Amino acid sequence: EVQLVESGGGLVQPGGSLRLSCAASGFTFRSRWMHWVRQAPGKGLVWVSRITSDGSSTSYADSVKGRFTISRDNAKNTLYLQMNSLRAEDTAVYYCAEWDLGWGQGTLVTVSS
Amino acid sequence: QSVLTQPPSASGTPGQRVTISCSGSSSNIGSNTVNWYQQLPGTAPKLLIYSNNQRPSGVPDRFSGSKSGTSASLAISGLQSEDEADYYCAAWDDSLSGLVFGGGTKLTVL
Repeated sequence: EVQLVESGGGLVQPGGSLRLSCAASGFTFRSRWMHWVRQAPGKGLVWVSRITSDGSSTSYADSVKGRFTISRDNAKNTLYLQMNSLRAEDTAVYYCAEWDLGWGQGTLVTVSS
Repeated sequence: QSVLTQPPSASGTPGQRVTISCSGSSSNIGSNTVNWYQQLPGTAPKLLIYSNNQRPSGVPDRFSGSKSGTSASLAISGLQSEDEADYYCAAWDDSLSGLVFGGGTKLTVL
């Protein structure tokens, strides 16, 4: 069974940083591209970032480019999202996702003073 | 403003068949596969259809997907009260080099 479990969310002040993690199991993590997707309260789904299977290539939504960094550790079956210079508009539930296999349950990030 | 266009709402009565449309462009639906997600209230999105028309294990065959040109659709037959949820379409966009989503369709079972 595919399992994706996010962690690392919480309350952070504007300008602060957080690192999200996503532990993967039930599939061959090292061979799959992975994504982060977010959902602001009461809003729709918005893609944030993706990383290729070996981590050699990444891409980002314009809204987070230069502030967020996606990475992965294939030895630990774990995906990461380093979020810096956080803004109020980054407040959302963040999901890790594999395109054809499924999503995690999400972790809430709240940016507020 | 979402890149993919879905109707904001849809409705049907139990047992009915309902379809939800998703319109895109040549850079997304026109050249890549479409996934559909179901989001029940207060829960994470669940993969419902992948690769345009494939159902993951455990998804009832009441749910089906199709794609033609730059549009896709999700059909739900034998509508049940537990199908009341938000439904999202998604595809990779070659121009944006990222995933794009529809704005979501809220399905109400009357």
